[in-house]
Amino acid sequence: DSGVTQTPKHLITATGQRVTLRCSPRSGDLSVYWYQQSLDQGLQFLIHYYNGEERAKGNILERFSAQQFPDLHSELNLSSLELGDSALYFCASSGTNGASGIDTQYFGPGTRLTVL
Amino acid sequence: AQSVTQPDIHITVSEGASLELRCNYSYGATPYLFWYVQSPGQGLQLLLKYFSGDTLVQGIKGFEAEFKRSQSSFNLRKPSVHWSDAAEYFCAVGAAYYGGSQGNLIFGKGTKLSVKP
Repeated sequence: DSGVTQTPKHLITATGQRVTLRCSPRSGDLSVYWYQQSLDQGLQFLIHYYNGEERAKGNILERFSAQQFPDLHSELNLSSLELGDSALYFCASSGTNGASGIDTQYFGPGTRLTVL
Repeated sequence: AQSVTQPDIHITVSEGASLELRCNYSYGATPYLFWYVQSPGQGLQLLLKYFSGDTLVQGIKGFEAEFKRSQSSFNLRKPSVHWSDAAEYFCAVGAAYYGGSQGNLIFGKGTKLSVKP
């Protein structure tokens, strides 16, 4: 158990709909990362938040957005869903390793999204 | 551009045999390297990491990896594979995180390991 929790585990929805995925980081971790895992693209970085602020964006579609709340949990919002958005969405958290600034990321169990 | 290559999509080994999974990276600065394992329907579990120092790093479950800068490689090894090691293995490279720089991981496509009895 990594200490990172994600809800829900599974989500089935229809095209055009909007969903929210939730992530709670490990206790004390300030950074939250979101990744998408699909068969064709593999594991791809979407977005990174640190202590409530957006820090970096990866291959995140404009239809997707995220935020990190004062209690440090994060939500990933996916809207106008398409069939191709079906994937496993992972959240990871980390704490900066002092002066070296190197993160070790610990992953949650993921949310499997199926768009029909 | 930063990238990670895992040349083997699928490997099958017999239980008790040794294992080596290959990983090559392309990165402009000192790389920070990771191996993760994903069992079916599960999340990613960290096996080991290399930040600096000794180029041979030990991880959990009896795995080790060797960083070879001259070959841009970070291969994962295990001397004797168990049936429970059947899973998908991902190599990743991460950036040092200073101020606003990126700390995200760049993953290889993964190597699926099957274990024969």
